[in-house]
Amino acid sequence: SQQGEEDPQALSIQEGENATMNCSYKTSINNLQWYRQNSGRGLVHLILIRSNEREKHSGRLRVTLDTSKKSSSLLITASRAADTASYFCASQETSGSRLTFGEGTQLTVNP
Amino acid sequence: DTGVSQDPRHKITKRGQNVTFRCDPISEHNRLYWYRQTLGQGPEFLTYFQNEAQLEKSRLLSDRFSAERPKGSFSTLEIQRTEQGDSAMYLCASSPGYRVRRSGANVLTFGAGSRLTVL
Repeated sequence: SQQGEEDPQALSIQEGENATMNCSYKTSINNLQWYRQNSGRGLVHLILIRSNEREKHSGRLRVTLDTSKKSSSLLITASRAADTASYFCASQETSGSRLTFGEGTQLTVNP
Repeated sequence: DTGVSQDPRHKITKRGQNVTFRCDPISEHNRLYWYRQTLGQGPEFLTYFQNEAQLEKSRLLSDRFSAERPKGSFSTLEIQRTEQGDSAMYLCASSPGYRVRRSGANVLTFGAGSRLTVL
């Protein structure tokens, strides 16, 4: 499969709780990105972390990257109902410019 | 320029017919990507262009699929002799390429997608 894996496949939490999603990838990368997709819509870029970075923050988002384990995590703090969406990680391989997407985590935040 | 535009948004066709999708990227972006996404899955890479040159194609892109970007601006994706397995959302995205700082070069801006249903 060209895709990495994401864990969990689905996550349901209450508003105000934190949500953590994990991603694994297969090749050496230049960077890893996270995207969000609302149902039936296109994907929206959230955050990018370079291969020489270990952690990055943007608002309520925190991303970590462990290149030795080929894994990344996305933490959304103080979740809101509007955060309900699918979240995908995407790795950019060192060998080219394509982004390879994971299978996604469906996050549901209950009000 | 308000973003990446795709047309049509929805296409229903009968098996065996040909279909063509169009993508208009952000005008300053020199890279353009096509992805396919089925329900509950992540986007699967099909092909990408740097200006008018098609630099990479997935083996998913069978002989029935062809993509062009004739003047380095808009792109078309044609599927010939459609099959029911071609039913999916076809996503187009563009990125700046190396005109911006390296880390931003491959941040993709996606269109809303073209949903294909083959009966």
